[in-house]
Amino acid sequence: DAKTTQPTSMDCAEGRAANLPCNHSTISGNEYVYWYRQIHSQGPQYIIHGLKNNETNEMASLIITEDRKSSTLILPHATLRDTAVYYCIVGVTDKLIFGTGTRLQVFP
Amino acid sequence: SAVISQKPSRDICQRGTSLTIQCQVDSQVTMMFWYRQQPGQSLTLIATANQGSEATYESGFVIDKFPISRPNLTFSTLTVSNMSPEDSSIYLCSAIEAPQVNTEAFFGQGTRLTVV
Repeated sequence: DAKTTQPTSMDCAEGRAANLPCNHSTISGNEYVYWYRQIHSQGPQYIIHGLKNNETNEMASLIITEDRKSSTLILPHATLRDTAVYYCIVGVTDKLIFGTGTRLQVFP
Repeated sequence: SAVISQKPSRDICQRGTSLTIQCQVDSQVTMMFWYRQQPGQSLTLIATANQGSEATYESGFVIDKFPISRPNLTFSTLTVSNMSPEDSSIYLCSAIEAPQVNTEAFFGQGTRLTVV
């Protein structure tokens, strides 16, 4: 499975867009990009995934570069409840291998 | 979406003993997994629980230490054997309903294990 690189931590003001980057330069052609988050003391929660096209759902948008070597998760209007560790994972449809993630702190 | 229940939610155990953690899914799922999350760390995959056959373990994890059962499509157990304080972690169960159709993985709330 391809490895990912994410910033250790980020801050975002409440109501602003949170843009979380992820580098995955060794991604293979059949590997998806997944984003999960883990709010303190809870199990991870699925956010979104994509193969090569940009994706949007009710939680977030996923922007994947044309060469697929990096992606950005966008939370359009961050709230305090979005404070969590966000994991970018690259792989196929079975087991997920978690990296260290980005700790996003949303402040008032 | 699948709902995963884990029991117990937490436990304090004596070293040298074993603890079995149960994972119940409210619908039939294709794949089930067990993860460990040590304090302040990310999740580490322990194994894939295979229905009706031996689990598939990741590097660094062995069946003698972490025996896993999966008797049907909705239930799995993980046993942490001969525990030591280094086994103090959160253990999480995960499931994927149908990898070919919906790749979203669901997670339980975890079992917080403290070994004293």
